[in-house]
Amino acid sequence: GAVVSQHPSRVICKSGTSVKIECRSLDFQATTMFWYRQFPKQSLMLMATSNEGSKATYEQGVEKDKFLINHASLTLSTLTVTSAHPEDSSFYICSAPLNFRVGYTFGSGTRLTVV
Amino acid sequence: SQELEQSPQSLIVQEGKNLTINCTSSKTLYGLYWYKQKYGEGLIFLMMLQKGGEEKSHEKITAKLDEKKQQSSLHITASQPSHAGIYLCGASQGAQKLVFGQGTRLTINP
Repeated sequence: GAVVSQHPSRVICKSGTSVKIECRSLDFQATTMFWYRQFPKQSLMLMATSNEGSKATYEQGVEKDKFLINHASLTLSTLTVTSAHPEDSSFYICSAPLNFRVGYTFGSGTRLTVV
Repeated sequence: SQELEQSPQSLIVQEGKNLTINCTSSKTLYGLYWYKQKYGEGLIFLMMLQKGGEEKSHEKITAKLDEKKQQSSLHITASQPSHAGIYLCGASQGAQKLVFGQGTRLTINP
């Protein structure tokens, strides 16, 4: 089936550095990719929508200059957390829409820890 | 925007017992998805409901969508430790966006 491969699964970085998270669609083309953030014991909060060939759309309250999203091709979307701070530590997960019946396929997530 | 309210937020049941999780929408649902997640991992698609009154089952899990298409329930029969995790309902919004309820954390005690 359609799979989204997300890397890295875990990353620890120092405050002030940037971290890039990649989501690749395998066996299908993802013109759209959704990026979510999940805090411990909380649900998934939609951060932004990336579209191949155009600018990402950010949800209200999400800093677009801090969370840079690039959808370089039909199989690759990236999220870069710039100048990371400890409060950016979270679980980030991407998702691509498939069809109405199945819905969406999700990456396995990235646990980011900023120290 | 559409809001999804899940209840309960946390549930602890004895192994073998039945349980129900509810998901209520502020707007009519045109596609309601149920997912399971173990925290820190990806989501597993369970079921999708579209029509009012629709009911689907997979193994010991049954999901229903009410006639008004604003409320869905997920029922687990004879719960097992493998059912433990976070259950999320999601609904499609415009531009294919999928928004989630707060999630229900299910713990199964042996």
